[in-house]
Amino acid sequence: AQTVTQSQPEMSVQEAETVTLSCTYDTSESDYYLFWYKQPPSRQMILVIRQEAYKQQNATENRFSVNFQKAAKSFSLKISDSQLGDAAMYFCAYKVSGGGADGLTFGKGTHLIIQP
Amino acid sequence: DSGVTQTPKHLITATGQRVTLRCSPRSGDLSVYWYQQSLDQGLQFLIHYYNGEERAKGNILERFSAQQFPDLHSELNLSSLELGDSALYFCASSPWTGRNEQFFGPGTRLTVL
Repeated sequence: AQTVTQSQPEMSVQEAETVTLSCTYDTSESDYYLFWYKQPPSRQMILVIRQEAYKQQNATENRFSVNFQKAAKSFSLKISDSQLGDAAMYFCAYKVSGGGADGLTFGKGTHLIIQP
Repeated sequence: DSGVTQTPKHLITATGQRVTLRCSPRSGDLSVYWYQQSLDQGLQFLIHYYNGEERAKGNILERFSAQQFPDLHSELNLSSLELGDSALYFCASSPWTGRNEQFFGPGTRLTVL
C-alpha cells in the first residue's frame, strides 16, 4: 500500500522569507502523480501544485515550486516570499496513474505559521 | 470557488441515526470521490464513482454507502451513526479517471452527539 509521510507537524517562517515543507512517499508504482493541497482555516482544500512522476522537470506555480526526487521518493514544497495568506495546513498527496480509480493518499499535514 | 458544491454545510445528529450528504461536481466532471477528514484518521479516501458506476472503494465502513445519479450528483449515506463518525466529509470531482487532479467541495461538517 502507498504511504505518504510529512515529518514536520508544524513550521514557522517570517513573512517574505522562504520555507520548504517535506514529504516522502512509498510506492512500488513507476507512474503516479504527486500533489500539494492547502487547507486554510476555512477548511477548503485548495490544489497548490501537481507533479507527474514521469516528468523530470520540477513543477512551478508562481511562488510555489517543488523539488521532486523520484529515486529518493521525496517531494518537497518550497514557498518563496511567504505571505500571511499562505498560513494554512499543507497536505502532500499521492495518486497512482494509468487511469487508476483509487483516490488520493494523503500525509498527516504540516501546519504552516507565517510570522508578520 | 472550486465549482463543487456540497450540502448541507453542517449536520448535527444523534447516535444510531442515518444521514445523507449531497455533492454536485463541477460542470462536465464525471468522477466523484468522497473523503473523510477526522482528527484520528486524517484525510481518508472513502469511495469513487465514475459516470454513475462505483470504481473504487477505500476505507469505507459497511454502514456507509454512496451512489451517483444520472445528473452526476452524488450522495453519501451514513447509517447507524457512532460518535466516531463525527468528521468533515469532502467530495471532490475530476473530469475522468485518467486525469488525476481533484477539485474539492467545501465539505460537510458532521457532528454525532
